[in-house]
Amino acid sequence: GAGVSQSPSNKVTEKGKDVELRCDPISGHTALYWYRQSLGQGLEFLIYFQGNSAPDKSGLPSDRFSAERTGGSVSTLTIQRTQQEDSAVYLCASSLAGIGGSDTQYFGPGTRLTVL
Amino acid sequence: AQRVTQPEKLLSVFKGAPVELKCNYSYSGSPELFWYVQYSRQRLQLLLRHISRESIKGFTADLNKGETSFHLKKPFAQEEDSAMYYCALRTGAGNMLTFGGGTRLMVKP
Repeated sequence: GAGVSQSPSNKVTEKGKDVELRCDPISGHTALYWYRQSLGQGLEFLIYFQGNSAPDKSGLPSDRFSAERTGGSVSTLTIQRTQQEDSAVYLCASSLAGIGGSDTQYFGPGTRLTVL
Repeated sequence: AQRVTQPEKLLSVFKGAPVELKCNYSYSGSPELFWYVQYSRQRLQLLLRHISRESIKGFTADLNKGETSFHLKKPFAQEEDSAMYYCALRTGAGNMLTFGGGTRLMVKP
């Protein structure tokens, strides 16, 4: 079956522009996560959606970052007024239930963002 | 706050040699530990988790709460094991994963 998909695969933007990154989770997965993979910081958690509950935004690095999940499926991560330090690979993951030790997170291929 | 430390950024071994990728964590509660692997040009994927106590591709990892470690071991490394390995921690406070910095394993022929 289809795994987690993300688009675009690569995005180059100029400093100060806004960008939107998209994630399509595995069908039926109620939990969705965004992580960021950068050279200096490794893999960092950004935000987590579980069903219809309010998202856990505790990992968002600044108020320039926001995310939404429409209809419990597709998610969009938006970065406003991009800065060079936002350059990273943005990973999306989804899991079936989001609870319990046996729940596995499946990762997408990532979006590589470069801010010039 | 929780933290995961992988002290080695790069580990290079010869094919057939034993390999141990170190992982230490700090968390005051009951942790759930995972190893994720990313092969070249592939996506990040789960290798194994401590609660399953399983061996995947010849790799095992034992949670040592006394030493707060979850080292990944394989007795005989293969060239196809070359990849980036991440240790990850999930706490009871939320479902997100806290990752270590990763260790690149290179298995030489």
